[in-house]
Amino acid sequence: KQEVTQIPAALSVPEGENLVLNCSFTDSAIYNLQWFRQDPGKGLTSLLLIQSSQREQTSGRLNASLDKSSGRSTLYIAASQPGDSATYLCAVPDNNAGNMLTFGGGTRLMVKP
Amino acid sequence: ETGVTQSPTHLIKTRGQQVTLRCSSQSGHNTVSWYQQALGQGPQFIFQYYREEENGRGNFPPRFSGLQFPNYSSELNVNALELDDSALYLCASSSEQTAVYEQYFGPGTRLTVT
Repeated sequence: KQEVTQIPAALSVPEGENLVLNCSFTDSAIYNLQWFRQDPGKGLTSLLLIQSSQREQTSGRLNASLDKSSGRSTLYIAASQPGDSATYLCAVPDNNAGNMLTFGGGTRLMVKP
Repeated sequence: ETGVTQSPTHLIKTRGQQVTLRCSSQSGHNTVSWYQQALGQGPQFIFQYYREEENGRGNFPPRFSGLQFPNYSSELNVNALELDDSALYLCASSSEQTAVYEQYFGPGTRLTVT
């Protein structure tokens, strides 16, 4: 059974810092990996999707990398801003169960002005 | 292109009651998945519907049931509500046409059971 872990669970940084969020998964036979952002009480916004054949994806100040062999992905946020404050979740699909997503517990990020 | 929508936004029910949550998938998507997210946790997969048939189910009891309609919208029904059913319920749509099964989430329905 796939298990996804995110470290740290919470992170507080001053504005302008570059930061790295970590995601690890136990079964490396994944089809893709998605990173999501969730504001308090809201739904999930897809940030980046990395296919299994890719090593990284970039969108603006965000860069996500994927190392299937080690079961790890990182989300790098450059020059953090207070508006980046949110919970960040990573998820991988289980290809044998209707492509259900297995999520990590999330990293709660606060960027202080 | 219309995104995923869910209704209602918030709902308060009493233990033992039944509830129906609704989801309209993104235009062109034929697969709908439902997730339960308890406070402070990641979402947990409930089940998925593909072309009106259940296509996978997570570790949830039979009192959680669903439907998908010909227009690919979906309902989640929960019978005999328990206090632990209080959560944010998220719906996601996807399509094999994208070839990567990227899932697009709606804003969620916040269910409170008292």
